[in-house]
Amino acid sequence: AQSVAQPEDQVNVAEGNPLTVKCTYSVSGNPYLFWYVQYPNRGLQFLLKYITGDNLVKGSYGFEAEFNKSQTSFHLKKPSALVSDSALYFCAVPYAAGNKLTFGGGTRVLVKP
Amino acid sequence: DGGITQSPKYLFRKEGQNVTLSCEQNLNHDAMYWYRQDPGQGLRLIYYSQIVNDFQKGDIAEGYSVSREKKESFPLTVTSAQKNPTAFYLCASSIDPSSGRRISETDTQYFGPGTRLTVL
Repeated sequence: AQSVAQPEDQVNVAEGNPLTVKCTYSVSGNPYLFWYVQYPNRGLQFLLKYITGDNLVKGSYGFEAEFNKSQTSFHLKKPSALVSDSALYFCAVPYAAGNKLTFGGGTRVLVKP
Repeated sequence: DGGITQSPKYLFRKEGQNVTLSCEQNLNHDAMYWYRQDPGQGLRLIYYSQIVNDFQKGDIAEGYSVSREKKESFPLTVTSAQKNPTAFYLCASSIDPSSGRRISETDTQYFGPGTRLTVL
């Protein structure tokens, strides 16, 4: 079964420091991986996805993610975090037919001034 | 949140009542989805529809029902059979048929702003 795991419930980082949100995956076949962000009481916003090709994927709001096949990871990164990046981040992977998504448990990011 | 709207934003229900959550999209997307989000958990799929007049159960369909009479609309009814309905409900859609492709695992889903349902 396709699945993703986010090992950290919360990540705290100082503004201006690098931000990393971890995601590991377990899939059969080609891995297609997604990152979404959710601000309080809002829907999810798409950040980026990995389909194939370059292992470094660039997305919205200055975020990027690195696909690592040997470590089965797809960590989200931002070189310099902003207070406004404080939100809940989800990693997801499609399963079965019909483009259904299964999500990790989410990682709350708190960026302190 | 793009071209997907959900209403109401907040909904209160008494036990034993059915309630219907609205989801509308103007993105010309074929596929639409309903997810449930509980605190500390990721999203779980309730129902999905790939085309008008067709829909499929997701992982937690018990106590819910849907219809897809129009391409733009995918309402979700939370019935009295749903034992723990208090949650945040998110609607999503994907794929524009003008792309000429069928739905695939690489398609991005776009989400509405959500409806928070509370059972009193």
